[in-house]
Amino acid sequence: DGGITQSPKYLFRKEGQNVTLSCEQNLNHDAMYWYRQDPGQGLRLIYYSQIVNDFQKGDIAEGYSVSREKKESFPLTVTSAQKNPTAFYLCASSVGTGHTGELFFGEGSRLTVL
Amino acid sequence: GEDVEQSLFLSVREGDSSVINCTYTDSSSTYLYWYKQEPGAGLQLLTYIFSNMDMKQDQRLTVLLNKKDKHLSLRIADTQTGDSAIYFCAESENRDDKIIFGKGTRLHILP
Repeated sequence: DGGITQSPKYLFRKEGQNVTLSCEQNLNHDAMYWYRQDPGQGLRLIYYSQIVNDFQKGDIAEGYSVSREKKESFPLTVTSAQKNPTAFYLCASSVGTGHTGELFFGEGSRLTVL
Repeated sequence: GEDVEQSLFLSVREGDSSVINCTYTDSSSTYLYWYKQEPGAGLQLLTYIFSNMDMKQDQRLTVLLNKKDKHLSLRIADTQTGDSAIYFCAESENRDDKIIFGKGTRLHILP
């Protein structure tokens, strides 16, 4: 079955540590996205990539970094520079150019900073 | 900038209809979406409507669009316990544009 796989589902980090969240898709989608979800805040876009080896900052990119070396993979690193990293992180993908814009989401990764 | 507003909570009795409302500010919005998020999971697209449509019906779901007032609603008929979730309204200006999400409405089903 095609879909998006995020790992790990739960992650605990000490302050000052970097952590990388994995996102893999086998939908053959061109575009991939990372969102952050906080209670009562909705979804905020961190980074997105419309094609391999290219990505753009979203609304809240500070303290985060990404790479897009393969079409299937879009890992997100939460660096120690992110002041309030505890949140639920959602990865998504879409067909890309010329589609209705439907996003397909993974199950999410919950990061807690101790 | 673009903004999408929706109330944060709605409680409905099982078997009644649920109506979740949303307003948006971007008059150039072309695509309007409703996504559903069950507890601890990602979002799933429920339905979408183009701005040149007034209404779209899909089984128990009815979407109404008032473009003049920039108001979108999602009606769920015969609400069931499985409908308990957070519902996100979202819009985009065109197919390739960034999707702007509202904060989500948590639907609570009363027995």
